[in-house]
Amino acid sequence: RKEVEQDPGPFNVPEGATVAFNCTYSNSASQSFFWYRQDCRKEPKLLMSVYSSGNEDGRFTAQLNRASQYISLLIRDSKLSDSATYLCVVNMWNQAGTALIFGKGTTLSVSS
Amino acid sequence: DTEVTQTPKHLVMGMTNKKSLKCEQHMGHRAMYWYKQKAKKPPELMFVYSYEKLSINESVPSRFSPECPNSSLLNLHLHALQPEDSALYLCASSPGQGSYEQYFGPGTRLTVT
Repeated sequence: RKEVEQDPGPFNVPEGATVAFNCTYSNSASQSFFWYRQDCRKEPKLLMSVYSSGNEDGRFTAQLNRASQYISLLIRDSKLSDSATYLCVVNMWNQAGTALIFGKGTTLSVSS
Repeated sequence: DTEVTQTPKHLVMGMTNKKSLKCEQHMGHRAMYWYKQKAKKPPELMFVYSYEKLSINESVPSRFSPECPNSSLLNLHLHALQPEDSALYLCASSPGQGSYEQYFGPGTRLTVT
């Protein structure tokens, strides 16, 4: 089982749609969880951290289910500017200390 | 402000060249990282400097060598690279002390000819 798994998509949605991305992780000892956004040929940018209680930032809502080792990201009222690749990222401890493990990303394309 | 700077933005080098990539952060972060990213793939961790201690991904070839002159600077020295080393090289930093989110620089796009 891969450490962090995501549906690669692509997700093609019209403006105003609601879209949900899912992610699972394999290491139950993982402690921190994030969603990053990456535009084509740009660096990943932190979108939001994910907390057990769930958290919301404007149109974006993230959820974490530790028992199921499952993370989600919900985007409401999609905008053209939301088109990007969304990376599910999990922090894990290894011999190097702490490391971020990236999923392969889910591609979103929002059209008018 | 969360800002990590990297130079150069683009680099073309031959297989016999020696070059260096530079990364700088002024956020007081205690950990810095080098990643390699190929097209349509997620970033792969190469090196970690955390509290002045270096950790290495053992799969990274020795033609890549990191250097951390101080807690704000991180260099990546390149020597005798191969064409398959062409990629986007990303630097990141994180606060440490229980905060593990990482902030990425814009990257150096490296082409090895």
